Amino acid sequence: SQTIHQWPATLVQPVGSPLSLECTVEGTSNPNLYWYRQAAGRGLQLLFYSVGIGQISSEVPQNLSASRPQDRQFILSSKKLLLSDSGFYLCAWSVISGELFFGEGSRLTVL
Amino acid sequence: AQTVTQSQPEMSVQEAETVTLSCTYDTSESNYYLFWYKQPPSRQMILVIRQEAYKQQNATENRFSVNFQKAAKSFSLKISDSQLGDTAMYFCAISPQGGSEKLVFGKGTKLTVNP
Repeated sequence: SQTIHQWPATLVQPVGSPLSLECTVEGTSNPNLYWYRQAAGRGLQLLFYSVGIGQISSEVPQNLSASRPQDRQFILSSKKLLLSDSGFYLCAWSVISGELFFGEGSRLTVL
Repeated sequence: AQTVTQSQPEMSVQEAETVTLSCTYDTSESNYYLFWYKQPPSRQMILVIRQEAYKQQNATENRFSVNFQKAAKSFSLKISDSQLGDTAMYFCAISPQGGSEKLVFGKGTKLTVNP
């Protein structure tokens, strides 16, 4: 069966520090991978998606970047965090049907 | 562009009763999917139910069923025999067929099931 792992679950970082959130998928090949940010009262906002290794599409301009160094690994990064980067980040994968499978999420607090 | 509107930010229901969560949407796509996702307090979001727009029959999954009104662009979720474990945020979402990257979510409805 397919599983998705996302870490760290909780992160507290000072403004200006770097960020790395990781996500790996097991049990499937060549999945579509996604990073979402969830803000209270605002639903889920798609940040990045990837249809293959090295292929990243960005949905909104921001202080974040994403990379896909391996087929089932998706990384969300920042060189210098802003206060506005605080939030709950969700990794997800999908197949053609459109259904998304989500990770457990990462709570980022920037101080 | 696709939009999803959930007009009920919060709802509550007594255990064992039935509750309906509302969702309306707009899309210019002819083929699309509609979803209801559940996010319990533990935070991992899971799919509750899915409806293909070309299917007239409403989808059902155990105690969960939808009322899909294509002409009215409405996709409500009915939860029967509510259980305490149904307490969660519920998100309605839409995507074009074969277009997961274009999945659009509503802002969610927080459902509380009271004992």
